[in-house]
Amino acid sequence: NAGVTQTPKFQVLKTGQSMTLQCAQDMNHNSMYWYRQDPGMGLRLIYYSASEGTTDKGEVPNGYNVSRLNKREFSLRLESAAPSQTSVYFCASSEGGQIGKLFFGSGTQLSVL
Amino acid sequence: SQQGEEDPQALSIQEGENATMNCSYKTSINNLQWYRQNSGRGLVHLILIRSNEREKHSGRLRVTLDTSKKSSSLLITASRAADTASYFCATVFTGGGNKLTFGTGTQLKVEL
Repeated sequence: NAGVTQTPKFQVLKTGQSMTLQCAQDMNHNSMYWYRQDPGMGLRLIYYSASEGTTDKGEVPNGYNVSRLNKREFSLRLESAAPSQTSVYFCASSEGGQIGKLFFGSGTQLSVL
Repeated sequence: SQQGEEDPQALSIQEGENATMNCSYKTSINNLQWYRQNSGRGLVHLILIRSNEREKHSGRLRVTLDTSKKSSSLLITASRAADTASYFCATVFTGGGNKLTFGTGTQLKVEL
């Protein structure tokens, strides 16, 4: 029962470096999401994919790109990391359609120095 | 901007007491959900209430929804130390597509 798996769990980058956060779900869900969580800000939606082959911007997409590789995988890329992107990143999935509950991964703690 | 805002931001109670958290939102919704987050972990879904429902129960959890006031409350009865966590409301607002918007959360501490 893996659910939603995120890698890596921790990452430290220098300003300007790039990296990709990986996310995979094994529940055959149609929709997948990337959120970031900052202290006192709750969770903010970065990008989401309502179904395989589609992606849409969320509330805070600047500085990020995403790829819905297939139905299982949804990756988040930081092309040129900035200190403002220091955060905890969560991937989530749902069955889709009239949105029901989300299933979350355990998160990636990213620090940009 | 955040769709939902929780109140209070932090709550400390004794084991066995009831805990009530409130959530207010700004626009009409399709459904409202509550999630729990233990320290350093991902969020876990607790309960979903649709816009045409007024109250829902799940074990020790009771959720109410008042669409006229654009507010919801989460009641945890007979709290336990294991209930210590942050609780978030999240909304799917009408016309918002397939997106869930989270509030800033309530930190609950249940002391022995």
